[in-house]
Amino acid sequence: QLQLQESGPGRVKPSETLSLTCSVSGGSISSRSYYWGWIRQPPGKGLEWIGSIYYSGGTYYNPSLKSRVTISVDTPKNQFSLNLKSMTAADTAVYYCASHYGSGSWENYYFDNWGQGTLVTVSS
Amino acid sequence: SYELTQPPAVSVSPGQTASITCSGDALGDQFTCWYQQKPGQSPVVVIYQDTKRPSGIPERFSGSSSGNAATLTISGTQAMDEADYYCQAWDSSTVIFGGGTKLTVL
Repeated sequence: QLQLQESGPGRVKPSETLSLTCSVSGGSISSRSYYWGWIRQPPGKGLEWIGSIYYSGGTYYNPSLKSRVTISVDTPKNQFSLNLKSMTAADTAVYYCASHYGSGSWENYYFDNWGQGTLVTVSS
Repeated sequence: SYELTQPPAVSVSPGQTASITCSGDALGDQFTCWYQQKPGQSPVVVIYQDTKRPSGIPERFSGSSSGNAATLTISGTQAMDEADYYCQAWDSSTVIFGGGTKLTVL
C-alpha cells in the first residue's frame, strides 16, 4: 500500500509562493499505473483538484489555477512537488497529495491513496 | 464551467438505505468515482468507475449510473457511515468534484 506524506510551510504571506512536497513510500513514483496529484480543501468547504503529474513529467492542471501552478516530479527522491504562486487568503486550505491510479484513458483514473493533508494559511 | 451537482445533505435512519445522487451534463459518457470523508480525515475512495468497489470497502456500498446522473447507495446504513461524500468525474481532462453531501445517520 502506498503511503504519501506532505511537507512544507504551514503559513505563507500574501503574494508569496507556496512550495509543498509529497514523499511517496511503499512503491515507486515511476510506476506506469499512477499519476500523482494535488487536491485542496478550504476550511469547511469541498474538494478542489489542483493538478496531476506522470513520472515522465506530463501534467494536467485545473484551468482555474493553471496560470499560478507548477507540479514537478523528482524520481530519484520518489517525491513530487507543488508550487503555487501569488498566494492570497482564498488559497488558505488543507492541501492533500494523492496517488491517481488507473490505466488506459485518463478518465479511468481515480485517487486511491491520500496523504494526511497539510493546512496552509495565507496570512501576513 | 462544468459542474457536478449533489444535494447538500441527506439523512437516513440506521439500517435503512441511503442514496446520494450526482448530476452533470456529461456523466452519461464517463466514469464517476465516490469518496467518503470523515471529520478530520482524508478522503477515501468507496466507488470507482461507476460501480466498482475497492478492496476493504464494505459490500453495502454500491454505485450506479444512468443518463446524466450517478448514484451512491449505502444499504443497511450504519452510524460509522456518517460522513461527507463527494462524487468525482471529468471535463476535458480536468478532474471535477461535486460539492459534497453530508450524510447524517439519525
